Amino acid sequence: DGGITQSPKYLFRKEGQNVTLSCEQNLNHDAMYWYRQDPGQGLRLIYYSQIVNDFQKGDIAEGYSVSREKKESFPLTVTSAQKNPTAFYLCASQFDGLVGEQYFGPGTRLTVT
Amino acid sequence: GQQLNQSPQSMFIQEGEDVSMNCTSSSIFNTWLWYKQDPGEGPVLLIALYKAGELTSNGRLTAQFGITRKDSFLNISASIPSDVGIYFCAGQLRGSSNTGKLIFGQGTTLQVKP
Repeated sequence: DGGITQSPKYLFRKEGQNVTLSCEQNLNHDAMYWYRQDPGQGLRLIYYSQIVNDFQKGDIAEGYSVSREKKESFPLTVTSAQKNPTAFYLCASQFDGLVGEQYFGPGTRLTVT
Repeated sequence: GQQLNQSPQSMFIQEGEDVSMNCTSSSIFNTWLWYKQDPGEGPVLLIALYKAGELTSNGRLTAQFGITRKDSFLNISASIPSDVGIYFCAGQLRGSSNTGKLIFGQGTTLQVKP
């Protein structure tokens, strides 16, 4: 089955710890994206990568880091510098880095206490 | 960051009724996408629009790409209980800002009374 997988579905961490969220796709898509969604809110872009070994900051990149060493994988690290890390995190991918349809994974709900 | 103006914010309708929602922006878009999100899940793509004036249907759903390239609407006909969820519009910018990034509306929450 082709698609986007995110793991785990639920993640709990103590304040001050870094945590890495996984995103994998087997759709052969060039571009991948990370979004954050807060309750009752729309989606805000954290980081995106239009092609392997390259990535760009989105609108709310502070306190987050990413890597894109493989086409299939785009992990997101939520660092201790992120002031309000508790949120629903969504990964998406797109065939072309410039235009086209974005498809989303099932999301990871991160709770930091 | 930029956002689209999506309305209405929420709707509570009777099963069988038709639904209409829209998104507007001051920016010109290459692409309009419409998504549905169920609680705790990722958004699912419903319809993609690529040309100004384009009208596209997917079952009971119909969406249009506005002539000015600055707006889009989504209609749902004969609503059923499983239509419940949050509907998002999203646009991809045209021109030098074209990076494939999506700009999202705030969402329309739809509730259907059986």
